[in-house]
Amino acid sequence: AQRVTQPEKLLSVFKGAPVELKCNYSYSGSPELFWYVQYSRQRLQLLLRHISRESIKGFTADLNKGETSFHLKKPFAQEEDSAMYYCALKGANQAGTALIFGKGTTLSVSS
Amino acid sequence: DVKVTQSSRYLVKRTGEKVFLECVQDMDHENMFWYRQDPGLGLRLIYFSYDVKMKEKGDIPEGYSVSREKKERFSLILESASTNQTSMYLCASSVNRNTEAFFGQGTRLTVV
Repeated sequence: AQRVTQPEKLLSVFKGAPVELKCNYSYSGSPELFWYVQYSRQRLQLLLRHISRESIKGFTADLNKGETSFHLKKPFAQEEDSAMYYCALKGANQAGTALIFGKGTTLSVSS
Repeated sequence: DVKVTQSSRYLVKRTGEKVFLECVQDMDHENMFWYRQDPGLGLRLIYFSYDVKMKEKGDIPEGYSVSREKKERFSLILESASTNQTSMYLCASSVNRNTEAFFGQGTRLTVV
């Protein structure tokens, strides 16, 4: 079964501290993985995807196929990073285009 | 800029009513999706469509149906609204072969 697991509902850190939001997946085949972010009162938007191998707003995520993980990391958290973060997997359905989401992790960064 | 627009931000409906949630995208995207977003449960896929008049069930289609008569519009229908369908509903679209999904602002539906 295709599944995305985000084990933490809430992650609270202080400004300047490192952040790691965990994501594990279950998928047979080559997955495509994404991180989406939803800031307060804004729509859900793409943060980054593993095929791009890019850093967005200081965040990076590396696909580890051995551990079936795609953890999101940032070395120094900022207060504006406070948001809900969703890890998502591209599923193997007929059209191959529907994203499967985890339950989300709320990141709270305080000063 | 891609724009995905949901017709209402907030809706309050009575139990048993037939409810229509409308979504329009302006970028000629092939694929459109309906999710519901609930605290602690994340986003769950209700239905999606990869072409006009085509639809596929997602993980939680019970109690819902969809309509896609035109490429730009994807409607979610609650045949007989129930209180357990109180939720935030998110519409999304994506270009075929481009896996990024663009989301609407959401419709918060309350069924009383």
